[in-house]
Amino acid sequence: GENVEQHPSTLSVQEGDSAVIKCTYSDSASNYFPWYKQELGKGPQLIIDIRSNVGEKKDQRIAVTLNKTAKHFSLHITETQPEDSAVYFCAARGTYQLIWGAGTKLIIKP
Amino acid sequence: EAQVTQNPRYLITVTGKKLTVTCSQNMNHEYMSWYRQDPGLGLRQIYYSMNVEVTDKGDVPEGYKVSRKEKRNFPLILESPSPNQTSLYFCASSSGDWGHTEAFFGQGTRLTVV
Repeated sequence: GENVEQHPSTLSVQEGDSAVIKCTYSDSASNYFPWYKQELGKGPQLIIDIRSNVGEKKDQRIAVTLNKTAKHFSLHITETQPEDSAVYFCAARGTYQLIWGAGTKLIIKP
Repeated sequence: EAQVTQNPRYLITVTGKKLTVTCSQNMNHEYMSWYRQDPGLGLRQIYYSMNVEVTDKGDVPEGYKVSRKEKRNFPLILESPSPNQTSLYFCASSSGDWGHTEAFFGQGTRLTVV
């Protein structure tokens, strides 16, 4: 079955710098890769997703890239702001469910 | 407002005392699911339901039960809770196949079993 590994587990960046979180997946048949953001005390919320027929997708300060050959995808956040502090989860589509990474705690230092 | 509502938000119980965590969504979604979140392990699916009266096991179903008698409700039942079920639980719903549509999560239920 599908397995998703996410790195790093914790990422600390200076406000205004960029942050990159990487995930690898095992099932070459996976075709959908969403990213969720979980703020303190809340449930995860979708922030961006990408399908396997696209290599990159952007939405303002966030972008996701997908390398199907290498089976990895990454979340890029530019010009980080305090409100970007959260836990970020990547996921990949399994048979009837999403398979989740373990999460990355992003800390924005003032 | 479109939302997934879980109750209670916090629960402390004793080993062996049956409990139910309720989940309700107002978006007419067909797909609903329960997850547990533990440090370093991310989100692990417990059970999911693709429609009324259709449920199936996820990755960690042992010790849990679910039912889907109505489209909007998907309660999680712990018949005999044990300390290893202490965790943060999330209910989620989606309008279609998990793989292609956004999942909407509830606020979470923090369960402590002593």
